[in-house]
Amino acid sequence: AQTVTQSQPEMSVQEAETVTLSCTYDTSENNYYLFWYKQPPSRQMILVIRQEAYKQQNATENRFSVNFQKAAKSFSLKISDSQLGDTAMYFCAFMNPDSNYQLIWGAGTKLIIKP
Amino acid sequence: DVKVTQSSRYLVKRTGEKVFLECVQDMDHENMFWYRQDPGLGLRLIYFSYDVKMKEKGDIPEGYSVSREKKERFSLILESASTNQTSMYLCASSLAGAAGETQYFGPGTRLLVL
Repeated sequence: AQTVTQSQPEMSVQEAETVTLSCTYDTSENNYYLFWYKQPPSRQMILVIRQEAYKQQNATENRFSVNFQKAAKSFSLKISDSQLGDTAMYFCAFMNPDSNYQLIWGAGTKLIIKP
Repeated sequence: DVKVTQSSRYLVKRTGEKVFLECVQDMDHENMFWYRQDPGLGLRLIYFSYDVKMKEKGDIPEGYSVSREKKERFSLILESASTNQTSMYLCASSLAGAAGETQYFGPGTRLLVL
């Protein structure tokens, strides 16, 4: 069975710093999707970034980028120039395309950006 | 923008009550999901529906049932609420078709069972 592990329950950094959230996963599949979702305090969960396993190029979305290491089964999220609005729970998730669109979720990392 | 709404943000119920949580999406998505979110456990899938009147059990379906009579609406039912069902409940929807589709979430319902 696939599993997703986020080893950092909580992190805090100063505003404008760069922070990296770690995620590892376990699968025997070759083709799959990986996601980072963000859940701000008292607000809705939203997608931050998505990576397709067959694409070697790391996905980027403005200040958010991933370091996808397929052989190591690692999928870390880097947030550059962190802002107060980045304070949130961040969840890593895995999808097997044959799984009826079901996501396997990590436990989450609580990220606090300090002014 | 996709909008997913849930009927209540906060709900307090007593043990043994029947509880209905409703979710509505306005983007004609085929897939709808109910998750339970608990600290340190991430999100766990309760039920999933890929079409009207179709449902599949997720990882933790015990004590729950669902109903999808219309495409835009997906209801979660706690037949007889228990204190261990105190949790945050999240609804999500997504397009069918290509894999890797984004799931869009509602604001969540925080349920307290006394």
